[in-house]
Amino acid sequence: AQKVTQAQTEISVVEKEDVTLDCVYETRDTTYYLFWYKQPPSGELVFLIRRNSFDEQNEISGRYSWNFQKSTSSFNFTITASQVVDSAVYFCALSERYQTGANNLFFGTGTRLTVIP
Amino acid sequence: NAGVTQTPKFQVLKTGQSMTLQCAQDMNHEYMSWYRQDPGMGLRLIHYSVGAGITDQGEVPNGYNVSRSTTEDFPLRLLSAAPSQTSVYFCASRGSTNYGYTFGSGTRLTVV
Repeated sequence: AQKVTQAQTEISVVEKEDVTLDCVYETRDTTYYLFWYKQPPSGELVFLIRRNSFDEQNEISGRYSWNFQKSTSSFNFTITASQVVDSAVYFCALSERYQTGANNLFFGTGTRLTVIP
Repeated sequence: NAGVTQTPKFQVLKTGQSMTLQCAQDMNHEYMSWYRQDPGMGLRLIHYSVGAGITDQGEVPNGYNVSRSTTEDFPLRLLSAAPSQTSVYFCASRGSTNYGYTFGSGTRLTVV
């Protein structure tokens, strides 16, 4: 069965520090997709990135970067030079291709990041 | 282009009451889902639909019904509300390219 583990429940950093949010997943499927979502204090869910299981290239988008390693079943998210606006709950999620075609998302329990000014 | 629209944003129900949470999308997406978010548990799938007329159960379907009569709408019905259904409910949709699901802004439901 699929599983997503975000072991870090809460993290606090001082502004401008770098921070890495960990995500470990389990799946029996060979084709799957990994996601990160941001949930700011306002409550909406904001899509950040999607990765498919065949693409292990790391990705950088501004201050955000993602490290996908199939060997360790991890998809970690790093924020460089954190800012107060990065304060949010971050969710890692997995969808598996073989299931029904719906590719529903299975979420981790989230990591609450607080950036202290 | 409104994306995914959920109504209401807030609702208080008494135990045993029924209600329908509305979800509509204007992106012609085939796939729609309902999730509930509870503290410390992330988001869990309630029901989902792969197209009009087709629905299926997710991880936590008990106490909820859905239907999908049109591509645009996917309402979630609580037949007899219980305090355990106090939660934040999110509706989501995606097209066939499997890029990230688009989520509605959520409905905060309290059952007293």
